[in-house]
Amino acid sequence: GESVGLHLPTLSVQEGDNSIINCAYSNSASDYFIWYKQESGKGPQFIIDIRSNMDKRQGQRVTVLLNKTVKHLSLQIAATQPGDSAVYFCAENYWRGYQKVTFGIGTKLQVIP
Amino acid sequence: AAGVIQSPRHLIKEKRETATLKCYPIPRHDTVYWYQQGPGQDPQFLISFYEKMQSDKGSIPDRFSAQQFSDYHSELNMSSLELGDSALYFCASSLIGGTGGRNTIYFGEGSWLTVV
Repeated sequence: GESVGLHLPTLSVQEGDNSIINCAYSNSASDYFIWYKQESGKGPQFIIDIRSNMDKRQGQRVTVLLNKTVKHLSLQIAATQPGDSAVYFCAENYWRGYQKVTFGIGTKLQVIP
Repeated sequence: AAGVIQSPRHLIKEKRETATLKCYPIPRHDTVYWYQQGPGQDPQFLISFYEKMQSDKGSIPDRFSAQQFSDYHSELNMSSLELGDSALYFCASSLIGGTGGRNTIYFGEGSWLTVV
């Protein structure tokens, strides 16, 4: 992914509101997508995934939407909590004889108490 | 559940020195990935191994090399270290075999490398 240096896109949300984090992916051949949450100084943590034959997948408080037409992915977090504050990355995955995973530019979510 | 284990967690080296990072994938996972993440940046793919063979190569400098051993653990060797190599290095693993490559990649907690 292309780096944005120290200026990650930031989304500020009031505690209890819903958050929507967007991601554009680059490869139309990508067939599997993963959202990761990364807290400061820690490794990316799996949140939810979706295969390309689906448009929507729901987890606990999270929903991922996939729009293959415009190569867009979104992560919706319901009733955002302070513990949701982190950087969120989407990753696109495609199979070319081996698994190729590319991260998108992260979005920093700041939850305002 | 067992996770991806990385060691050391923190490492301080001087310029031009050599560093080795180790990664122990989740048991039964057959693929290991290495990523480098600078401050405020997204993880940059370095290299991956599937069944002990290099499967893909990203933006890994020629000064770096890696391998996956018979027990599936992997090591990232970094030589002639430069200040710009200071970063968080992640190892990740997944199970590919028979799945067409649509399996979640799980990350370790990372190894902090500081080059001074």
